[in-house]
Amino acid sequence: DTEVTQTPKHLVMGMTNKKSLKCEQHMGHRAMYWYKQKAKKPPELMFVYSYEKLSINESVPSRFSPECPNSSLLNLHLHALQPEDSALYLCASSQVDPGLGPQHFGDGTRLSIL
Amino acid sequence: GESVGLHLPTLSVQEGDNSIINCAYSNSASDYFIWYKQESGKGPQFIIDIRSNMDKRQGQRVTVLLNKTVKHLSLQIAATQPGDSAVYFCAENPHNTGNQFYFGTGTSLTVIP
Repeated sequence: DTEVTQTPKHLVMGMTNKKSLKCEQHMGHRAMYWYKQKAKKPPELMFVYSYEKLSINESVPSRFSPECPNSSLLNLHLHALQPEDSALYLCASSQVDPGLGPQHFGDGTRLSIL
Repeated sequence: GESVGLHLPTLSVQEGDNSIINCAYSNSASDYFIWYKQESGKGPQFIIDIRSNMDKRQGQRVTVLLNKTVKHLSLQIAATQPGDSAVYFCAENPHNTGNQFYFGTGTSLTVIP
């Protein structure tokens, strides 16, 4: 079992739907991340939150909207997605100072856009 | 067996042999490096890390070597086991980018029983 919990594990949605991905950690980490991973490719950074504030947005389309309601939770709100957005979405957490330790990943949400 | 990471994304080794997975990183400002193992259907799992003030670090059956001169990182797995079959990623953190981690392309390791 991982220390970062992501729900749901699988999600199928149409292009007009609105859904949310959820991530939770209780390791006291104050940095949280969203990554997108396509098959046979490395994870690609999407967003970084430090102390519950968005610190990095890697030019992600606005149909992806992150939210960090508190230090343990991270959401990714999805709206009007495209078929090419089908991928594994990974959440991670770490100490804010990256030199203090590695990122810890959840097992991801497998997203399919119809 | 040995891979060259970016140029040979697959590596097959016999059970019990040692494996070497290589990674060439791009940013000379990177000062923290991590190796992850990703099994099918799972998220990346931390294996070992190393900081730029070191050139070698050992864990249980794994060793990471860092050559800053040629910007090269390697992961050595001793006595490779079938459970080691997975995709291995290196990740680098440039010291001037805060929390940004950049992943290499990955190497798929298959252990032949």
